[in-house]
Parts: sequence; structure tokens; C-alpha cells
Amino acid sequence: GQNIDQPTEMTATEGAIVQINCTYQTSGFNGLFWYQQHAGEAPTFLSYNVLDGLEEKGRFSSFLSRSKGYSYLLLKELQMKDSASYLCAVTLPREAAGNKLTFGGGTRVLVKP
Amino acid sequence: DGGITQSPKYLFRKEGQNVTLSCEQNLNHDAMYWYRQDPGQGLRLIYYSQIVNDFQKGDIAEGYSVSREKKESFPLTVTSAQKNPTAFYLCASSPRLGGALYNEQFFGPGTRLTVL
Repeated sequence: GQNIDQPTEMTATEGAIVQINCTYQTSGFNGLFWYQQHAGEAPTFLSYNVLDGLEEKGRFSSFLSRSKGYSYLLLKELQMKDSASYLCAVTLPREAAGNKLTFGGGTRVLVKP
Repeated sequence: DGGITQSPKYLFRKEGQNVTLSCEQNLNHDAMYWYRQDPGQGLRLIYYSQIVNDFQKGDIAEGYSVSREKKESFPLTVTSAQKNPTAFYLCASSPRLGGALYNEQFFGPGTRLTVL
């Protein structure tokens, strides 16, 4: 089976930094996505990691350790509009999975003034 | 504008009725997906299709049915056999992976189904 864990909720202050962790235990691994989802809206793509290390995109960075089954999403200089849920999703090797994504439960981030 | 449309945004049905949710994309994507999202939870895969006239069950297919007669369209029917149909339903599409490094899924705006 596939198991992907994220904290349920986090609170942070505007201008601060928040780190959202994601751990996974899956039968195979190809890569890991992070999506942002505002309440009642569609998820939007943030990042994809397939190799170990840090990928930086403006205020958002994503890290992956394949050997530890661990990823995190780092949000810097938090803004009120960053209040949303952040979804971690794993892709399995193509042959096995047909490009499916398996999602964690999502982490709701609340940014306070 | 290229994108994925789902209609309607809100849908109400009486218990025991089948209901069909629409999903259309004009991105020329080969693969399409249906997910269900319950309050405060992540997305769970219901069905997916990688090519016209072919589809596979996801993790929670019981009580649902789909068809893929056209590349652009992937309607989902929530049948009366689905025990807890009230949820937020999201449709997504992605291009064929081919030689690409990864295969981002693009999501529609969702349909919130409430069964009374």
C-alpha cells in the first residue's frame, strides 16, 4: 500500500517562514509533487522533485531525500494569500502506475497578520 | 483560453438518484482523471483514462462509472450505489508522458455535489 503523511494544520505569522514536511512509504517511487489549493478551488502546481536536493522557485523551495522517504516545502516571507492547503503527491514508476498521483491528506496553512 | 471546465460548480441531488458530472478539456491532453475530496482531506483517485475508449479504476471506484468516448471529455456518473456521495469532485488532465521528466496534472475548478 501507499502511505503519505503530512501535518494536518500549521499556523505562521506574515513575513515568517514555514516548513511543511511530507514523509512517504510507497511501493516504488518516481518523483514528488507539491500543489497549493485555496479553499474550494482547484489545486495548482508548485514544484516537482525527482532527485535529492533543494529546488528553489522564488519564495517557495522544495527538498527531497529519496533514501529517507522525506520531502519538505519551504515557504518564505509569508503573505496572507499563502493561506491555503498544501498537498504532497507521489508518482510511482511509470510502468507500474500509468502516471497516477497518490496524494497525502494535505496541510492547511493559516497565515496571521 | 485553454483549460479544463467542470459544470456545474454546485449540484444538489436526492438520495437514490444517479448524477453525471461533466469534465471537458481543450488542452489536447491524452490522460484524464477524476478525484474525490472530502472536507479537510487530500485527493483520492476514482477513475483515470490514458487514452480514448480506455479507462482504469482508481482507489475508490465503487459506486462510480465513467466513459471516454472523446479525447476532450471524461464524464463521471455517481450512482445510487455510492454510499457517501456528498463531496468535492475534481477532474484533471495531463499530457502523455513521452520523454518528459514529469507529468503535471492540470485541474478543473471542481463540482461540489450534495446529496440530500
